[in-house]
Amino acid sequence: DAKTTQPPSMDCAEGRAANLPCNHSTISGNEYVYWYRQIHSQGPQYIIHGLKNNETNEMASLIITEDRKSSTLILPHATLRDTAVYYCIVRSHGSGNTGKLIFGQGTTLQVKP
Amino acid sequence: NAGVTQTPKFRILKIGQSMTLQCTQDMNHNYMYWYRQDPGMGLKLIYYSVGAGITDKGEVPNGYNVSRSTTEDFPLRLELAAPSQTSVYFCASRDLSGGVSEQYFGPGTRLTVT
Repeated sequence: DAKTTQPPSMDCAEGRAANLPCNHSTISGNEYVYWYRQIHSQGPQYIIHGLKNNETNEMASLIITEDRKSSTLILPHATLRDTAVYYCIVRSHGSGNTGKLIFGQGTTLQVKP
Repeated sequence: NAGVTQTPKFRILKIGQSMTLQCTQDMNHNYMYWYRQDPGMGLKLIYYSVGAGITDKGEVPNGYNVSRSTTEDFPLRLELAAPSQTSVYFCASRDLSGGVSEQYFGPGTRLTVT
């Protein structure tokens, strides 16, 4: 599975959009981009995933560049409860895949009042 | 559904002791995983299972054992606890079917070995 690179930390004002970048320049054709977050040492929580099209759900939007080498997770109106570590993970959906996730150190997002 | 549950929440072990961390899921998921998380680090995969009776090693399996006799349960065994096993342990499960295959995580077990 491709490696990812994320900034170690970011700040965001409450109510503003939080844009979290992720580089995955070695991503291959059958690999998806997943985002999870971990709030204050709880178990990680799934946010969103995508292959090449932009995706949106009730939690966030995922923008993937056309060459698929980077992506951005967007929390449209960040709240204090969104303060967490955000992990960008790339993994394949190919046959025989076991769904294993390889976590980096993620981005610590601090939402400030 | 309770989702993924883990017991105990906290445990202190002495060096050389053994214990079993329990993990149960009620979502009928085929896949289950054990991760450990050291302070300030991301999660590392210890063992995983693709179904009852089938287990395999992850990135950091040394010092641990697992079994999967039922779909619901995936216990993690520490035989001879060492200080290096001080960590937070997370269990997760995943459904086999469908295009979306996110993992559902339990609340974790905080283990200290002294």
